Amino acid sequence: EVQLVESGGGLVQPGGSLRLSCAASGFTFSSYAMSWVRQAPGKGLEWVSAISGSGGSTYYADSVKGRFTISRDNSKNTLYLQMNSLRAEDTAVYYCAKDGRGTGGYGDYAYWGQGTLVTVSS
Amino acid sequence: SYELTQPPSVSVSPGQTARITCSGDALPKQYAYWYQQKPGQAPVLVIYKDSERPSGIPERFSGSSSGTTVTLTISGVQAEDEADYYCQSADSSGTCVVFGGGTKLTVL
Repeated sequence: EVQLVESGGGLVQPGGSLRLSCAASGFTFSSYAMSWVRQAPGKGLEWVSAISGSGGSTYYADSVKGRFTISRDNSKNTLYLQMNSLRAEDTAVYYCAKDGRGTGGYGDYAYWGQGTLVTVSS
Repeated sequence: SYELTQPPSVSVSPGQTARITCSGDALPKQYAYWYQQKPGQAPVLVIYKDSERPSGIPERFSGSSSGTTVTLTISGVQAEDEADYYCQSADSSGTCVVFGGGTKLTVL
């Protein structure tokens, strides 16, 4: 059974940093791209970033480019999102999702985590 | 930047057919995916690759594609289908994932 469990969310001040983690199990982690998708309170889904199965290719939404860094540790079956220079508009539930293929940038999310809430506020 | 356009809301009576459209210039080149999201829950994939249905998704959910528009059809709508529905695809180069703005389906 595929399981994705996010952690690391919380309250952070504007300009601060936070690192999210997503522990994966139930599939060959290194064979699949992984993504982060967020949802601001009362708003729609927004794709944030993706990384290929090997970790060699990364993709970012314009809204986070230069501030967020996606990475993965295939030996630990874990996905990460390092978030720097956080802004109020980054407040959202952050989901990790398993892509349908090894390369990122396409979507096809059959599996999602439960989400972790990030609140950026002073 | 690339966008997918959905109607904000669709309303149908139980037993009727609901159709939710999604428009985007790259849809002839990239597959579309549809997700159902109920309050407080993670999204659930209901249609992949334009028209394929994952196992466990009821047969009343179907998808179709025509040019720059894809459509999610729910036949014989049930009260439990009331939810937000999002289409998702990629830009033409396959380097950027995009979600539509979402459509709230109300079962009257």
